[in-house]
Amino acid sequence: QSALTQPPSASGSPGQSVTISCTGSSSDVGGYNYVSWYQQHPGKAPKVMISEVTKRPPGVPDRFSGSKSGNTASLTVSGLQAEDEAEYYCSSYAGSDNWVFGGGTKLTVL
Amino acid sequence: QVQLLQSGAEVKKPGASVKVSCVASGYTFTSFSLHWVRQAPGQSLEWMGWVSPPSGNTGYSQRLQGRVTFTRDTSASTAYMELSSLRSEDTAMYYCARKRFGDLHPFDIWGQGTMVTVSS
Repeated sequence: QSALTQPPSASGSPGQSVTISCTGSSSDVGGYNYVSWYQQHPGKAPKVMISEVTKRPPGVPDRFSGSKSGNTASLTVSGLQAEDEAEYYCSSYAGSDNWVFGGGTKLTVL
Repeated sequence: QVQLLQSGAEVKKPGASVKVSCVASGYTFTSFSLHWVRQAPGQSLEWMGWVSPPSGNTGYSQRLQGRVTFTRDTSASTAYMELSSLRSEDTAMYYCARKRFGDLHPFDIWGQGTMVTVSS
């Protein structure tokens, strides 16, 4: 299966909102509500920020939200803070016990 | 606390094999699946496959099928990833990640990563 498509970069100033897209197909993103988003700081392991398209795990700030329309999922970070600067990856179930990740988006807080 | 602790960095020659371990603690090992994800330097995450600790059942990505093997030792709460016929493109950080059974759950706990370098 092919990697999901994400923009390579996104940016915003502190306090602003930024949205990162993740485009797949009807075989993955569009076919299941099983999209997750992960935050990865340099040299660290990924951390789950959103699961099942919209759910925030305990401890994740409510500034992070997720949505989906058709074959494209989105992660929105509101009220940007310096610590939000990181790489973000989407992931989706792709059927038959397979999962797929996106290419990653580098979020810069200006 | 809940954690996955992986074995240390490895340097291997092309054509060799590598085996990485992932020791689980702080939870019941057989209540969650274990997935493996790798990340080449400066690149994105690549899902490799999974092992089911209670049954030993496995699933592999098409790209790596035939070269990778996942096993587990329930008595030691440990999962293993073995990759054979190594090539330079296999140089990457390898992560194990825990996931509740069921398609909808995310990878909620990750190991610290094991760097595998393939070089002659």
